Amino acid sequence: GAGVSQSPSNKVTEKGKDVELRCDPISGHTALYWYRQSLGQGLEFLIYFQGNSAPDKSGLPSDRFSAERTGGSVSTLTIQRTQQEDSAVYLCASSLGTGKNYEQYFGPGTRLTVT
Amino acid sequence: TQLLEQSPQFLSIQEGENLTVYCNSSSVFSSLQWYRQEPGEGPVLLVTVVTGGEVKKLKRLTFQFGDARKDSSLHITAAQPGDTGLYLCAGVGGGSYIPTFGRGTSLIVHP
Repeated sequence: GAGVSQSPSNKVTEKGKDVELRCDPISGHTALYWYRQSLGQGLEFLIYFQGNSAPDKSGLPSDRFSAERTGGSVSTLTIQRTQQEDSAVYLCASSLGTGKNYEQYFGPGTRLTVT
Repeated sequence: TQLLEQSPQFLSIQEGENLTVYCNSSSVFSSLQWYRQEPGEGPVLLVTVVTGGEVKKLKRLTFQFGDARKDSSLHITAAQPGDTGLYLCAGVGGGSYIPTFGRGTSLIVHP
């Protein structure tokens, strides 16, 4: 079956521009996570959606970052007025639910480069 | 904030050697997972451990969860070039369902 897909796979943008990153989770997965991975760093949690509950935005680094999840499926992460420090790989993951036995399935990521 | 420290950060070995990667924390986790990530791909789950003292084996990989559920180790026997990748541990606990990831161990196995 189809896994988690993300688009674009690579994005190069100029400082100050806005970017949108897309995530298509596995069908039927109610939980969706966004992470950021910088070189030499682990995965930094950004935002979490679970069903119809209010998203957990506690990991968003600034108000330039926002995310939506439409219809409980596709999610878009938006970064406004991009900065060079935003350059990283942005990973999306989905899971059937939450709990200590959850399994997250990751997409291949979007590599964002801000010049 | 729960932190997970992984060691070593980098490991370069020859095919056939054994290795152990460690994941340590001062916090207690209800579960701990190990992932492997290859270049250009997202992490792929290898195993989940939930019971203190638990040992799980996956072919040449042996995972152990510490008795106090604060640490874990991954041991690879007779490493192969296909084992090359970034190994990440992730813990869930403290009442949150958001996993905390370590920085990873980058493993290179030379033929």
